[in-house]
Amino acid sequence: GMPVEQNPPALSLYEGADSGLRCNFSTTMKSVQWFQQNHRGRLITLFYLAQGTKENGRLKSTFNSKERYSTLHIKDAQLEDSGTYFCAGSRNMGYKLTFGTGTSLLVDP
Amino acid sequence: NAGVIQTPRHKVTGKGQEATLWCEPISGHSAVFWYRQTIVQGLEFLTYFRNQAPIDDSGMPKERFSAQMPNQSHSTLKIQSTQPQDSAVYLCASSRDWASSYEQYFGPGTRLTVL
Repeated sequence: GMPVEQNPPALSLYEGADSGLRCNFSTTMKSVQWFQQNHRGRLITLFYLAQGTKENGRLKSTFNSKERYSTLHIKDAQLEDSGTYFCAGSRNMGYKLTFGTGTSLLVDP
Repeated sequence: NAGVIQTPRHKVTGKGQEATLWCEPISGHSAVFWYRQTIVQGLEFLTYFRNQAPIDDSGMPKERFSAQMPNQSHSTLKIQSTQPQDSAVYLCASSRDWASSYEQYFGPGTRLTVL
């Protein structure tokens, strides 16, 4: 199977809604990064995690290396959250990233 | 801090021509990575350097693609005899490679179009 399985592939939310994205890894990863790709194609890092949970405003991410998954939770979705979200895992510290296939998020008013 | 700089932002070449893409990593970062993004393949790793030395080029197509890092302030990705299937956004990233964080910072990418 795919080394990084990301779900859902597409997500449509109304403003104010909460939702979550998940990445499952076929192999043990030592760290994960979550990105938002904006309309210009720029990859903006949302989180870098080697373990545990981090929060930043309305976003929260969890990484469980042993269970081979990571999640990104979006709370109170806003229009500007629309875009494509990618997770990427690294099998070793300082190693290459293996990307998920992305989640296309559309937030409607 | 200007972040990772990539030039040009857009490049259009004819089939069979050569394309050279440039990346300037964040000052002080010791690792430089190249990825490319296409609709079909998504985001895929090409090659990376640490302290200017090539570490892993397992993602590079065996023919026509080469990458170098002649000094700590820039890396180049060269594609010889470009083909339409080479059309993609080529992304460069750098990281500090410290024990506290190996986060990769991405540049804006170079959109290569091969006609």
